[in-house]
Amino acid sequence: ETGVTQTPRHLVMGMTNKKSLKCEQHLGHNAMYWYKQSAKKPLELMFVYNFKEQTENNSVPSRFSPECPNSSHLFLHLHTLQPEDSALYLCASSQVGVGLGGREQYFGPGTRLTVT
Amino acid sequence: TQLLEQSPQFLSIQEGENLTVYCNSSSVFSSLQWYRQEPGEGPVLLVTVVTGGEVKKLKRLTFQFGDARKDSSLHITAAQPGDTGLYLCAGALLSSRGSSNTGKLIFGQGTTLQVKP
Repeated sequence: ETGVTQTPRHLVMGMTNKKSLKCEQHLGHNAMYWYKQSAKKPLELMFVYNFKEQTENNSVPSRFSPECPNSSHLFLHLHTLQPEDSALYLCASSQVGVGLGGREQYFGPGTRLTVT
Repeated sequence: TQLLEQSPQFLSIQEGENLTVYCNSSSVFSSLQWYRQEPGEGPVLLVTVVTGGEVKKLKRLTFQFGDARKDSSLHITAAQPGDTGLYLCAGALLSSRGSSNTGKLIFGQGTTLQVKP
């Protein structure tokens, strides 16, 4: 596998279900990100992890729970979601550090989530 | 507050036409990236510009970073149906310590391009 992979690619879940999204990066990067992309809206940054530590949580509801066990893997645990949470969830990774500034992010193909 | 304004938001043209997409801000960026996204897929990085006034070319695509590093443009010459997609610009804020530490990017709202054969 190369680049950034995400599973599953499609997910349909009821509001009472619990599911998890998985992301894996094979680029040796030290930062990983979760984004939400809804129709006709800009990409919304949800969480940022640097060296496995969460460095940013953009006021995301607690029904979204991220987990970063190591710098290559990122999970997004979902529970009691609402229909308005239906969207494309994108994972990205990048290499960050002093002097590097905001370097390029490499995205996975996304998980298309539908909450019924 | 939308820090990166992209225009136009939607563009539908005929094959062979030229077009320009703009990305503007009042903030200064240390770098700016352009991405292209197809339906149901993640954004794919096209280019990164770092130096004010920098121009980069990728086949029929020309990218320019403004002298003051506050704006950028993407010009496509002789557009092809395969150029159809969502084009996103994203910048790293120069003055943001958080940006330097986390790699956080500010994304524009995107330009949907449709090239008709």
